[in-house]
Amino acid sequence: ETGVTQTPRHLVMGMTNKKSLKCEQHLGHNAMYWYKQSAKKPLELMFVYNFKEQTENNSVPSRFSPECPNSSHLFLHLHTLQPEDSALYLCASSQDASSGYGYTFGSGTRLTVV
Amino acid sequence: AQRVTQPEKLLSVFKGAPVELKCNYSYSGSPELFWYVQYSRQRLQLLLRHISRESIKGFTADLNKGETSFHLKKPFAQEEDSAMYYCALSGRDQGGKLIFGQGTELSVKP
Repeated sequence: ETGVTQTPRHLVMGMTNKKSLKCEQHLGHNAMYWYKQSAKKPLELMFVYNFKEQTENNSVPSRFSPECPNSSHLFLHLHTLQPEDSALYLCASSQDASSGYGYTFGSGTRLTVV
Repeated sequence: AQRVTQPEKLLSVFKGAPVELKCNYSYSGSPELFWYVQYSRQRLQLLLRHISRESIKGFTADLNKGETSFHLKKPFAQEEDSAMYYCALSGRDQGGKLIFGQGTELSVKP
């Protein structure tokens, strides 16, 4: 699959579980992003990585922990989540983080916390 | 602070009618404005950006700095235009991150 690939597509987890979301791109992009899309709320930027360095943490609770081992891969590690964390988590990439132009989005991971 | 406001959650029109999806923004610097679209079961994708001043799928949007608006318009709506539309803003002096509005669902009825 070309573009931005996110796995898994769906995830159900208990509040005491630990799980990880994965995002992968082979577009040659150097910036990667995590967004949260909840019902009735706008897309919320969570984290920004530019050339593997985290450049933005938008006041995200520590139960969400991002990891960017290289420019092609981005992870979101989840632990001790709350039911209100249930949402669609979108990954995106762009050439670099200097402009809002050229974002490519993944299909998202639908997360349900029970 | 950066903010994007889309006042309408749902806009329903008949095929062939004009469409205007409203977007207002708040930003102190020089913004880049975008419209993204998400068709049913598809990914979020860029529709157009204000810098390019182009028409995509018959849609246009003009940046009005005086009114801080970037409304999306199409003179004759088609059924295939039914989708979620998101207005987004990025500011070069704030790292270029994209900030989205709440989204407007456009429903074009036959």
